[in-house]
Amino acid sequence: GQQVMQIPQYQHVQEGEDFTTYCNSSTTLSNIQWYKQRPGGHPVFLIQLVKSGEVKKQKRLTFQFGEAKKNSSLHITATQTTDVGTYFCIAGNNRKLIWGLGTSLAVNP
Amino acid sequence: ETGVTQSPTHLIKTRGQQVTLRCSSQSGHNTVSWYQQALGQGPQFIFQYYREEENGRGNFPPRFSGLQFPNYSSELNVNALELDDSALYLCASSLGAGGTSGELFFGEGSRLTVL
Repeated sequence: GQQVMQIPQYQHVQEGEDFTTYCNSSTTLSNIQWYKQRPGGHPVFLIQLVKSGEVKKQKRLTFQFGEAKKNSSLHITATQTTDVGTYFCIAGNNRKLIWGLGTSLAVNP
Repeated sequence: ETGVTQSPTHLIKTRGQQVTLRCSSQSGHNTVSWYQQALGQGPQFIFQYYREEENGRGNFPPRFSGLQFPNYSSELNVNALELDDSALYLCASSLGAGGTSGELFFGEGSRLTVL
């Protein structure tokens, strides 16, 4: 069946360093969503990407959707301690949503 | 605030008991999805309800069942509780179902402990 691989599983950075998490699908997607879950909290929607090659920015966060609509990335520039949490991608095809396993980000002050 | 409310927030049950968790979806949303999140793990999809019908189910046994009401609120029922059912249960509402459901709005979750 369709799978979504999210890497890395964990990332530990110094405050100010950049961070990237990747989401890869075995099949073409109709869309991809990104969520952030703080420790003890619930997932919160960040962005949805729909178009091939789409790039969207939210302050220090940059989201990309690959040309083939099979992969996506979330890049954080100059991480801050407030970026701590787990970042999930959710891949959508026509029938269902498939969750990545998440990337847990720890930031040393 | 997402407008999605879940109750109860915390509860403790013993093995073999039954539990009902409730979720009120955001106004205007017709789809509710339920997830189980064990400690340190990602959310696992249980099932989704769209306009009062089950519209997809994850790899959970039949003792996990649900309902969606005409006002689109929803219940998750778990029978014959097992220790491994201890988890945070998340409800998410959205407009539209399946792979094109758009943004998911999550409630704060119900934390179930089975002793």
